[in-house]
Amino acid sequence: AQTVTQSQPEMSVQEAETVTLSCTYDTSESDYYLFWYKQPPSRQMILVIRQEAYKQQNATENRFSVNFQKAAKSFSLKISDSQLGDAAMYFCAYRRYYSNAGNMLTFGGGTRLMVKP
Amino acid sequence: GAGVSQSPSNKVTEKGKDVELRCDPISGHTALYWYRQSLGQGLEFLIYFQGNSAPDKSGLPSDRFSAERTGGSVSTLTIQRTQQEDSAVYLCASSFGDGGFYGYTFGSGTRLTVV
Repeated sequence: AQTVTQSQPEMSVQEAETVTLSCTYDTSESDYYLFWYKQPPSRQMILVIRQEAYKQQNATENRFSVNFQKAAKSFSLKISDSQLGDAAMYFCAYRRYYSNAGNMLTFGGGTRLMVKP
Repeated sequence: GAGVSQSPSNKVTEKGKDVELRCDPISGHTALYWYRQSLGQGLEFLIYFQGNSAPDKSGLPSDRFSAERTGGSVSTLTIQRTQQEDSAVYLCASSFGDGGFYGYTFGSGTRLTVV
C-alpha cells in the first residue's frame, strides 16, 4: 500500500518570503500522480499543483512550484512571495497512474502554514 | 452546478441515531468519492463510484457505513447507529473520467458531531 508522509505539522513564513513544504511517499510503482491541495478554513480542498511521475520537469503554477525527486520519493512544494491568503492546511496526495487500480487519492497528514504580516 | 455541493454543512446528532449526508457532484462528472477527515488528520478514503460500475467500498470502516449514488449523480452517505468516533468532516469529490488527468473537485464537506 502507498503511504504519504508530511513531516512538518506546522510551518510559518513572513509575508513576501519563500517557504518549502515537505512530502515523502512510499510506493513500488513507477507511474503515478502527485498533488498538492490547499484547504482554507472553508474546508474545500483546492488543487494547487499536480505532477505526473513520468515527467522529469517540475510542475509550476505561478508562485507555486514543486521539487520532484523520483528516486528519493520526495515531492516538496515551494511557495514564493507568500501572501496572507496562502495561510491554510496543505495536503500532499498520491494517486496510482492506472485507473483500474482505483482512482482514490492517498493523503498525507497535512501541514498548517501560517503567514505573518 | 458550478461546484460540488454538500449538505448539510454541519450536523449534530445523538449517539445511536442514523444520519444521511448528501453530495451533489458537478454535472457530467462520472466519478464520485467520499473521504473522511478526522480532527487534525489527513483525508481517509471511504468509497468511490465510477459511472454504472459497482462501487469500490474498500475504505468503509464498518458495516454501519453505506453509500449509494442514484442516476449516476447525487450520492448519499448513510451512517447508522452513530458513534462518537464518527465525528469528523465528510468530504465529497467528483471528477470527469480519470481524475488523475483532469483533477478532482471537492465540496466544502459536512462536519458531523456525535454527542
